[in-house]
Amino acid sequence: GESVGLHLPTLSVQEGDNSIINCAYSNSASDYFIWYKQESGKGPQFIIDIRSNMDKRQGQRVTVLLNKTVKHLSLQIAATQPGDSAVYFCAENTGTASKLTFGTGTRLQVTL
Amino acid sequence: EAGVAQSPRYKIIEKRQSVAFWCNPISGHATLYWYQQILGQGPKLLIQFQNNGVVDDSQLPKDRFSAERLKGVDSTLKIQPAKLEDSAVYLCASSLWSIPRYNSPLHFGNGTRLTVT
Repeated sequence: GESVGLHLPTLSVQEGDNSIINCAYSNSASDYFIWYKQESGKGPQFIIDIRSNMDKRQGQRVTVLLNKTVKHLSLQIAATQPGDSAVYFCAENTGTASKLTFGTGTRLQVTL
Repeated sequence: EAGVAQSPRYKIIEKRQSVAFWCNPISGHATLYWYQQILGQGPKLLIQFQNNGVVDDSQLPKDRFSAERLKGVDSTLKIQPAKLEDSAVYLCASSLWSIPRYNSPLHFGNGTRLTVT
């Protein structure tokens, strides 16, 4: 069935560097995408979302890029900090559906 | 604003026993979701409520799982009898709208970690 997946299960970056977390999706009808951050023992925390009619959206230290041609979504974190260490999930939703489909997650490890 | 509240935080039971989880969504959020998150995986939707009505329960194992949202606010999720494979974190989420929408995302609680032995 349609699914959302991630290329890398674990990403290790040095503090201060930029991080890029990638996500591939397979449902071309998806029109809404969202990134969540999940720290150990906590629920997923909203980071940023984007509609399918957008290519890019920026937040505080984070940028989401959407490439519909290749069905690819990425999350960029600028100046990565130790507090950014967590598992990051992308999720997609189609317009008429009422549920998000989550990928399996990428673990971001920030080294000092 | 207060977040989604869930209890208990942890629960350990033996297989074939029953267990119940409770969720209080963000005030004013009409839509409530229960997700199951197995270790190392993304959350999987079990059931979605719009006010006190069920919108989607297609992935709920109805032979053992049940959920209700009386009065359209708090919700409980029950498992009876539990199996070993039910060991997971059960997450409750809420949102303003019935469909996940730009700038109006799902907000999650911290979940209940269930261990079935």
